Parts: sequence; C-alpha cells; structure tokens
Amino acid sequence: DAKTTQPPSMDCAEGRAANLPCNHSTISGNEYVYWYRQIHSQGPQYIIHGLKNNETNEMASLIITEDRKSSTLILPHATLRDTAVYYCIVSPRGGGSEKLVFGKGTKLTVNP
Amino acid sequence: NAGVTQTPKFQVLKTGQSMTLQCAQDMNHEYMSWYRQDPGMGLRLIHYSVGAGITDQGEVPNGYNVSRSTTEDFPLRLLSAAPSQTSVYFCASTGGGQGDTEAFFGQGTRLTVV
Repeated sequence: DAKTTQPPSMDCAEGRAANLPCNHSTISGNEYVYWYRQIHSQGPQYIIHGLKNNETNEMASLIITEDRKSSTLILPHATLRDTAVYYCIVSPRGGGSEKLVFGKGTKLTVNP
Repeated sequence: NAGVTQTPKFQVLKTGQSMTLQCAQDMNHEYMSWYRQDPGMGLRLIHYSVGAGITDQGEVPNGYNVSRSTTEDFPLRLLSAAPSQTSVYFCASTGGGQGDTEAFFGQGTRLTVV
C-alpha cells in the first residue's frame, strides 16, 4: 500500500502557483520523498525528490516540513501542459523503480 | 538517447493467446521493472530485475513471465491472456546502486484481451 495521502483532485488557474500537498506521517529516516507526474496516460515522469531540505529544480520546488511528515510540491507558474496526475511517493534512495509504490495521486487541472 | 522504448504501443489479443511485450533501454541502467495500470488506479509492480540474469516478482506477477538476458532488454511474456490482463503496461529503468532512484518510464503498451 502507498504510504502517502494526497487529495484526489485540485484545480489551478493558468499562470498561478499550484501547491500540491502530500501527507507521509509514517516516513522513516532513510526514506526520500519523490514526486512524479503522469500526463494523459503517458509514462510517469520524474519531477523532483528530497530528504529533509527544500529542493528546487527547473520544473518545481519541494517543501518538506521540519518533522518530515508532510510536503508540498510547488509549480510556480502553472500552464495548461501541467494538467496531469501527480504522485507523491516515499522510497529509500538507491535501488530501482521497484521501490516506487504508486497510489492514486492528485489529478491537477490547470484552467485557462 | 532514446530512453525507454516499448513495443507495441497497442495490442488486441484473444483469450488464451500468448505474446511478448518488448522493453529496451539505452542508458545502461541496471534496474528494470514492469508495471500495469488499470483505469483510475496507480501503477502496480509485476516483475523487476536488478541486473542481467536476475529477476524477481512484484505485487501482481501471476500470468506473466520475464527474463533478462542483456542489460538493455527486459521482455514481459503473457503466457495465456485473460480479460483481466486488459491494462496499460509500463516499463521503467533506473541506474540502481546507491544513486538516485529517478526512474525513466516508457510510453506504455495498451493491451486489450477479448
């Protein structure tokens, strides 16, 4: 079973920031928080991951609370192409994708 | 790099037929996995491999076989197709070891069993 809890759906206006929450209250010390997204039934795409510090890359920012029990993925200026299902996954670093347990994710709809 | 390539993209089978879904990666990744995704659901792990010659079962292995004779290829065999195997199948690869677990996914094979 997935070890994360996400809202099933969210809406965001184009050009605004999209903030996607994730609860992972049972995360253990060696587990990272990973975010993937799946656009229109294509293969999932890696977005970002982090352990305890906030992370930023060209796609998004990841904010992890100090107690590591929750996190927020931020898409700073959402576009229509960001409409997708977003998956929050906790997993130990290293090894292969077999360690990724996918839940149902959050369906983000970006509206014009 | 082409990344992870899956063939075919679409397939219709009759109940009882067998077939092989192909997956190839050109990133020299050690780890490869097969997932299935049913409508409205997340991905579920079928089989995975941590290197050539090594495979193991995932969450839903029944009705599927895999082998890993080369680093590049990881085919998934349906032994006797059943309507319950109608799904979208994704292959993934990662570098493995102690590196990052960023996984690269193929574009999927949409299988219908009638």
